[in-house]
Amino acid sequence: EPEVTQTPSHQVTQMGQEVILRCVPISNHLYFYWYRQILGQKVEFLVSFYNNEISEKSEIFDDQFSVERPDGSNFTLKIRSTKLEDSAMYFCASSDSGVSNQPQHFGDGTRLSIL
Amino acid sequence: RKEVEQDPGPFNVPEGATVAFNCTYSNSASQSFFWYRQDCRKEPKLLMSVYSSGNEDGRFTAQLNRASQYISLLIRDSKLSDSATYLCVVVYSSASKIIFGSGTRLSIRP
Repeated sequence: EPEVTQTPSHQVTQMGQEVILRCVPISNHLYFYWYRQILGQKVEFLVSFYNNEISEKSEIFDDQFSVERPDGSNFTLKIRSTKLEDSAMYFCASSDSGVSNQPQHFGDGTRLSIL
Repeated sequence: RKEVEQDPGPFNVPEGATVAFNCTYSNSASQSFFWYRQDCRKEPKLLMSVYSSGNEDGRFTAQLNRASQYISLLIRDSKLSDSATYLCVVVYSSASKIIFGSGTRLSIRP
C-alpha cells in the first residue's frame, strides 16, 4: 500500500537554527498538509497546500514557517530561527482530492527536538 | 467553546466490552467527519469516515447527528489491540481546514 514518507525520523537542532523537514506524499495525491503535535497535546493543523500554493494556514503558521514543493515528489516544511517551543512531532499528510470527504494519509512523523 | 471536543477519557474497560465515545463540534459549516486512532508516539491512522446515515465497519460503528452537532464511535467486543487514543476529526467545506479533537484514550484490560 502506498504511503507517505518523512525524513528525518528525528531531528535535533540548536535553538535559532533553521530546519527543513521533508515529506514524500503518495504519488498521485495532489493535496498536502503539515501538522504538529507537541508531546502530550493534540494534533494541530499548520498548513494545506495545493497547486503550488498554500490553501489555508492556521494561526500557528506564522512568518517563521514556510512550505515548498521543490520538485515533483518532495514537500518540505522550513522552520526558521527555531525556538524551544517548536519541539514537537511534525506530521505530513496527503490526500488525492480536495473534496472534504476524502481522508488524509499521514506519514510517520519527524520528531523535532530544539536544544 | 472549543471547535472540537471529545470525551476526556481515559476509558479503561475489560476485553470484550462495548465502549462508546462522543465528539461535539461547534461550527455547523463542518462538512466531513472522521475517526482516527493514534498509538503512542505514532502517526494518526484513519479508522473510518463518518457518514450522515451512520456506518459500520466490523466491530466499529460511527454515527453523525448534525442537528446536535456530535459524532460517536461505538466499539463492540473490544480487543486488547483496540487500546489507543481515538481522535475525532472535523473537516470544513474546502478540505483545507481540518480540526482534530484532543483525543480519547482507551485502554483494554485482559
